[in-house]
Amino acid sequence: SQQGEEDPQALSIQEGENATMNCSYKTSINNLQWYRQNSGRGLVHLILIRSNEREKHSGRLRVTLDTSKKSSSLLITASRAADTASYFCATPSGYSTLTFGKGTMLLVSP
Amino acid sequence: GAVVSQHPSRVICKSGTSVKIECRSLDFQATTMFWYRQFPKQSLMLMATSNEGSKATYEQGVEKDKFLINHASLTLSTLTVTSAHPEDSSFYICSARGGGGSTEAFFGQGTRLTVV
Repeated sequence: SQQGEEDPQALSIQEGENATMNCSYKTSINNLQWYRQNSGRGLVHLILIRSNEREKHSGRLRVTLDTSKKSSSLLITASRAADTASYFCATPSGYSTLTFGKGTMLLVSP
Repeated sequence: GAVVSQHPSRVICKSGTSVKIECRSLDFQATTMFWYRQFPKQSLMLMATSNEGSKATYEQGVEKDKFLINHASLTLSTLTVTSAHPEDSSFYICSARGGGGSTEAFFGQGTRLTVV
């Protein structure tokens, strides 16, 4: 079964607005990671949040983790057109493998 | 972060031929490399895990005789799609993880395979 499920599947906003994406997972985790993928390209690691952390910041990114609800959110503040990409959450599964969610396609219009 | 280079970025091949995709860790030793497949607008699905010097571990439903994986050194893993069919057309991405208990995986740029 899919470990990470992001919502919304697609999000369209204007530059300067904030974008929030959510991820839910099913099993207990040690950490959760968020990745960005530009169209037809590889993945770029954005941020890792550990199970004992509730919130983490990196530049315009803010990630929260609620282990009681088995959910995480990724907030991108003051979005830019260059933020247009697909965003995936990923959770560890097995020995150092990752299970990816279905992703959220973010479109930021100028 | 560490750099993983994947080559080629795009390849078009005829049905029945074989295609080799390389995944190299440029500035670290990757004891473990992972191969993923991604269909358009879908998530990544793990195909196999390869450890240097040993046989790859394939996920359920992945044909090991069709997708040959070799991890002959700590910096190179290859995926060979044998006797390619149009349904093998997809985006293939590798990732590499160093040792030392690191939980972060570094991804290659991906390879767009089109079988005609």
